[in-house]
Amino acid sequence: IAGITQAPTSQILAAGRRMTLRCTQDMRHNAMYWYRQDLGLGLRLIHYSNTAGTTGKGEVPDGYSVSRANTDDFPLTLASAVPSQTSVYFCASSDSAGGNEQFFGPGTRLTVL
Amino acid sequence: GQNIDQPTEMTATEGAIVQINCTYQTSGFNGLFWYQQHAGEAPTFLSYNVLDGLEEKGRFSSFLSRSKGYSYLLLKELQMKDSASYLCAVMDSNYQLIWGAGTKLIIKP
Repeated sequence: IAGITQAPTSQILAAGRRMTLRCTQDMRHNAMYWYRQDLGLGLRLIHYSNTAGTTGKGEVPDGYSVSRANTDDFPLTLASAVPSQTSVYFCASSDSAGGNEQFFGPGTRLTVL
Repeated sequence: GQNIDQPTEMTATEGAIVQINCTYQTSGFNGLFWYQQHAGEAPTFLSYNVLDGLEEKGRFSSFLSRSKGYSYLLLKELQMKDSASYLCAVMDSNYQLIWGAGTKLIIKP
């Protein structure tokens, strides 16, 4: 693989179900991010990780959790999905936390019914 | 609060020049980014400005005025493939990106 991959590409989920969105990068980037993108709004940061073993909350963290057990993987979990979590989710990475361009995965389109 | 403003939609003609403006109010400033996003795809990096002035990269240029909280992206010799959304983002004092809603650029032949 090259760059960032996300899985699944799309998913339809019943409300109340648990779901994990996967993200893997092979660029050995230290920092990783999860965003959601909704029509008419800018990308909003959900959670981030500046380096393996650390995570932080972004602008809209409620209802989501993340882990960063190693450099390459940064899964996002919805413990109990709600319809307002219907969105396109992008994972991104950058060499370090500050002042560097972020590289984005292809996105996961999630619909919660 | 933090705010990034850019026009929702713009239309331009193939071969012409278009300027997309972005104004911002953020908690601190550690640089301004422009990204391009084609429909259904991921954003891709175009430019980064941290100092005032113009940065030129081929057909695309980006300008920054920190005192005015203002940037623009200039696209020259427009091609049909330039039809996309253009996202302005500012890195704040916590080194987090604050994103505008994006400007949808429509290119007509």
